[in-house]
Amino acid sequence: GQQVMQIPQYQHVQEGEDFTTYCNSSTTLSNIQWYKQRPGGHPVFLIQLVKSGEVKKQKRLTFQFGEAKKNSSLHITATQTTDVGTYFCAGNYNQGGKLIFGQGTELSVKP
Amino acid sequence: DAGVIQSPRHEVTEMGQEVTLRCKPISGHDYLFWYRQTMMRGLELLIYFNNNVPIDDSGMPEDRFSAKMPNASFSTLKIQPSEPRDSAVYFCASRRTGGAGYGYTFGSGTRLTVV
Repeated sequence: GQQVMQIPQYQHVQEGEDFTTYCNSSTTLSNIQWYKQRPGGHPVFLIQLVKSGEVKKQKRLTFQFGEAKKNSSLHITATQTTDVGTYFCAGNYNQGGKLIFGQGTELSVKP
Repeated sequence: DAGVIQSPRHEVTEMGQEVTLRCKPISGHDYLFWYRQTMMRGLELLIYFNNNVPIDDSGMPEDRFSAKMPNASFSTLKIQPSEPRDSAVYFCASRRTGGAGYGYTFGSGTRLTVV
């Protein structure tokens, strides 16, 4: 069935270090979205990637969508304590359909 | 824009009782989703509606769960009877077809504890 795998499950970094989380689907995605959930909060939409090989940046965050539209990554440069939370990728297999969420990567940042 | 509004924020109930969770989507959003989040299973899609019509309820765990959307501004998720394994955070989310960014807007969630 449709499943989105995300690794790692946890990542502990020192403030200033970089962070990357990876997302993989066994079948081609229509698009992929990324969300951030702060501890005790709700998921908040960050970005959507649609095109094969697409790269988008938001300040220190870089999002990539693979050429085959089966994988994606989120990279944070020089983490800050405000980056703490769980980052989810969510795959869409057909336009307008449901999102399938990955398990999330929980990021902790030590000051 | 008040965002997606869910109530109650917290619910503690005894096993066997009926639980009703409520959601008010953002005005103008034509899709509404109910998700359940647990440590073990992550974010699971239970059901979603488009223009108030249920489109996919394949994620609803069993017949004890039911969801309705009587109009564009209100949806309920009902569990009857509730069981301890239903304890989780239940999120409602909405989005608009062709909306900027196409992302979902989530409510703050209802934390359900069944004892």
